[in-house]
Amino acid sequence: DIVMTQSPLSLSVTPGESASISCKSSQSLLHGDGYYCLDWYLQKPGQSPQLLIYLASYRASGVPDRFSGSGSGTDFTLKINRVEAEDVGVYFCMQVLQTPVTFGQGTRLEIK
Amino acid sequence: EVQLVESGGGLVQPGGSLKLSCTASGFSFSGYDIHWVRQASGKGLEWVGRIKTKPETYATAYVTSLQGRFALSRDDSKNTAYLQMNSLKTEDTAVYYCARRRYPNSFDIWGQGTVVIVSS
Repeated sequence: DIVMTQSPLSLSVTPGESASISCKSSQSLLHGDGYYCLDWYLQKPGQSPQLLIYLASYRASGVPDRFSGSGSGTDFTLKINRVEAEDVGVYFCMQVLQTPVTFGQGTRLEIK
Repeated sequence: EVQLVESGGGLVQPGGSLKLSCTASGFSFSGYDIHWVRQASGKGLEWVGRIKTKPETYATAYVTSLQGRFALSRDDSKNTAYLQMNSLKTEDTAVYYCARRRYPNSFDIWGQGTVVIVSS
């Protein structure tokens, strides 16, 4: 199974500042078509997870451009610019290159 | 509105069975893989399994730890996917979500979740 490791596990950010979350996989997530099968999700308190980024760097529909994803191989990053109060929740990375699909442990973001 | 709605959760004794449903509306259900993800209280997300579409022979895959206790199925005529859970254990207690996927997009629509409690 592919192991996903996120860091940090918690973040406290002042509104307007930036935040970055790292996600490392135990093997390359490169798909045969040249894309990386790595997604980012946000689970706001009391809600279902919602897709933010797919294929490592593509923003899902309706996601603000403050959110960006980057990376390749086994190292990926989610960056949030100009953090807002509504960004509070737990962020998960997920690999969907192969089954079993696996998630990172989650990174809890709070606002200072 | 595009949505998935889970149902069928509840309280069940250890060793019992439960069948969850995931009903779709607002989109062409038959064209999407359906994945199930669970989340124990206060914990992270754990992928349970997925069922593919008819052109891919409704192929299923599961997390290894289930040891054959769960089974996925779907009825495209009813826009519904099912998760049959047998020999339930206390550690199966969780909120169970279904989500749709069609490459290259990923889990872009999730249900609201249904709660399963396994307890005597």
